[in-house]
Amino acid sequence: DAGVTQSPTHLIKTRGQQVTLRCSPKSGHDTVSWYQQALGQGPQFIFQYYEEEERQRGNFPDRFSGHQFPNYSSELNVNALLLGDSALYLCASLERDNEQFFGPGTRLTVL
Amino acid sequence: DQQVKQNSPSLSVQEGRISILNCDYTNSMFDYFLWYKKYPAEGPTFLISISSIKDKNEDGRFTVFLNKSAKHLSLHIVPSQPGDSAVYFCAATWSGTYKYIFGTGTRLKVLA
Repeated sequence: DAGVTQSPTHLIKTRGQQVTLRCSPKSGHDTVSWYQQALGQGPQFIFQYYEEEERQRGNFPDRFSGHQFPNYSSELNVNALLLGDSALYLCASLERDNEQFFGPGTRLTVL
Repeated sequence: DQQVKQNSPSLSVQEGRISILNCDYTNSMFDYFLWYKKYPAEGPTFLISISSIKDKNEDGRFTVFLNKSAKHLSLHIVPSQPGDSAVYFCAATWSGTYKYIFGTGTRLKVLA
């Protein structure tokens, strides 16, 4: 079992650009959550997807959007990138309401 | 508003001794608490959890204590090992929500 995988590992973008991050959940997991971890901070909840719908959202602007596919994989899209969007983006998958398993994250740098 | 606080950014402990990591919270709605461990270049890994109906949960070398009146929880690692060196995050959640609220983390260094 590969666990939760995320791509790409690292990404560099410039202000104003758009970015798409990808996540494949652990086998058998149907729910995906996304978190943003800024330097020196703990992970902050962006949103959660279940049955291809956004089930809950944290305090993030509409520039952050997502999608879940029928195979449960997920994408996080960020539009109009700001310097402050530079962070580690973590994906976590879970089966129903069980324990969350985190992927290694995507390090996004916005210049 | 930081609802989950880890006031010690770092902690150094000698191998074989006890490590105590602390976490405070402000939201009375929290009813489930978790500790995660994070190594560099890896995602957080679940360590141990506790429900608000308990005041202690033990798993091998790891014990979590919950003091609801003080809104405080702590993670005890006994004995500490060099492989325990990592960043530890405290997280909290409550029934009816799907999000976890994380603290800012404590970097533990276990000295051989």
